[in-house]
Amino acid sequence: DAKTTQPPSMDCAEGRAANLPCNHSTISGNEYVYWYRQIHSQGPQYIIHGLKNNETNEMASLIITEDRKSSTLILPHATLRDTAVYYCIVRPRGTYKYIFGTGTRLKVLA
Amino acid sequence: KAGVTQTPRYLIKTRGQQVTLSCSPISGHRSVSWYQQTPGQGLQFLFEYFSETQRNKGNFPGRFSGRQFSNSRSEMNVSTLELGDSALYLCASSLENSLGETQYFGPGTRLLVL
Repeated sequence: DAKTTQPPSMDCAEGRAANLPCNHSTISGNEYVYWYRQIHSQGPQYIIHGLKNNETNEMASLIITEDRKSSTLILPHATLRDTAVYYCIVRPRGTYKYIFGTGTRLKVLA
Repeated sequence: KAGVTQTPRYLIKTRGQQVTLSCSPISGHRSVSWYQQTPGQGLQFLFEYFSETQRNKGNFPGRFSGRQFSNSRSEMNVSTLELGDSALYLCASSLENSLGETQYFGPGTRLLVL
């Protein structure tokens, strides 16, 4: 019952921006979109989250469409260490759990 | 501030045994969630505890149980282990797990059932 859809894999050249899309067309009004990444089966690492406005932090930017049905995570200058599986997650309203989809396997190429 | 810690990091058990995994949340965090990750099923929610009370439970059999102590540390237990229980078990903590809050994950415990 994943609420998000992501492409299974993407490649990005080192130093270029990596743009990872996510579709969450059934998102409800007060459900946040979270992004995590997981490297080599370590624990997922928090990247960024947002409700309706675009967000930026030291790791990435999150662009959410006006209708909130999709979002894009932007890694502005991808490095080899950004190679990981990236998860876009929506926490269903009224619950305390994250529902993970299958994520996007990003490979940054030298 | 120290992150979420999980012990042990690796564990090997045989079918039919039981296992207890431990999670220490970030200092001050009162919500602890547990997830199971397998190659076939991906990351799946097990349960969430807040102030020693289970608030949410995933779709797992009763062999999977957990608890939380007054200091917010949490344990999960799996009884009568099956081969399919081999997985990475992840713990995540947050202040109160309210809307807009972030959960921070530990490194996980890798369980192998033989």
